[in-house]
Amino acid sequence: EAGVVQSPRYKIIEKKQPVAFWCNPISGHNTLYWYLQNLGQGPELLIRYENEEAVDDSQLPKDRFSAERLKGVDSTLKIQPAELGDSAVYLCASSLDDSSYEQYFGPGTRLTVT
Amino acid sequence: DAKTTQPPSMDCAEGRAANLPCNHSTISGNEYVYWYRQIHSQGPQYIIHGLKNNETNEMASLIITEDRKSSTLILPHATLRDTAVYYCIVTPSGSARQLTFGSGTQLTVLP
Repeated sequence: EAGVVQSPRYKIIEKKQPVAFWCNPISGHNTLYWYLQNLGQGPELLIRYENEEAVDDSQLPKDRFSAERLKGVDSTLKIQPAELGDSAVYLCASSLDDSSYEQYFGPGTRLTVT
Repeated sequence: DAKTTQPPSMDCAEGRAANLPCNHSTISGNEYVYWYRQIHSQGPQYIIHGLKNNETNEMASLIITEDRKSSTLILPHATLRDTAVYYCIVTPSGSARQLTFGSGTQLTVLP
C-alpha cells in the first residue's frame, strides 16, 4: 500500500514569490492534515480536512496561506507571498476518518525562502 | 489540552531496553496518552496510545501510572533504527485528530 505522497520534496524560492505543495493521501482516507515543522520543534497543525471540508483552520495564517482539497482526495497548500520565516518543513498526514487513532505522515516538503 | 514534559535527550545501548518518561500531571479523566516518533528526514510515525491501562503492541509498551500523571514508553530491545525524536502527546479524545506535538525526546541508540 502506498503511503502519503508529497511533492516536491525540496523547494527553494526567493521571498515574495508564491509556492505550492501537493499531497496525495492514502487511498480511502477521508481526513487530511497539513502541518508546519520548524527546525528543532514538533509539527504544528495548520489545517484539517474532513473530505473536502476544512473543519479546523484556526492556525492557518489566512493572509498568505491557502489550502484546498478538491473532490476530497488530493490537497494543495499555497503560500503567497512567501516570507523568510516560512522556511520550514511542511508535512501532510491522513487518517481513515476523524475517529482514527493513527495519522499517517508523508515525508514532508522542505521549503527554503531566501 | 494537558501539557507534557519530556527530557530533551536520552541515550540507550543497542539491545537494551529504552525507557522514555513523560510527565502529564494536569491530564484529565477523558484524555489519552499518545506516543509518536520521528526518524530524521521522515514524517512522524504512530507508536502506541492508552487511557489508563498499560498497553503493548509489536513496537513498544506503554506504562501509565495509576494516578495517570506520568507514563513511560518502553522499547524492549532498542536497535540503531530506533534513533529518533519521541513525542508524548495528550489528546482530549480517543482519536488522533487533535495532536499537539511538543519538542519531544531525542533518543540516540548507541552501538
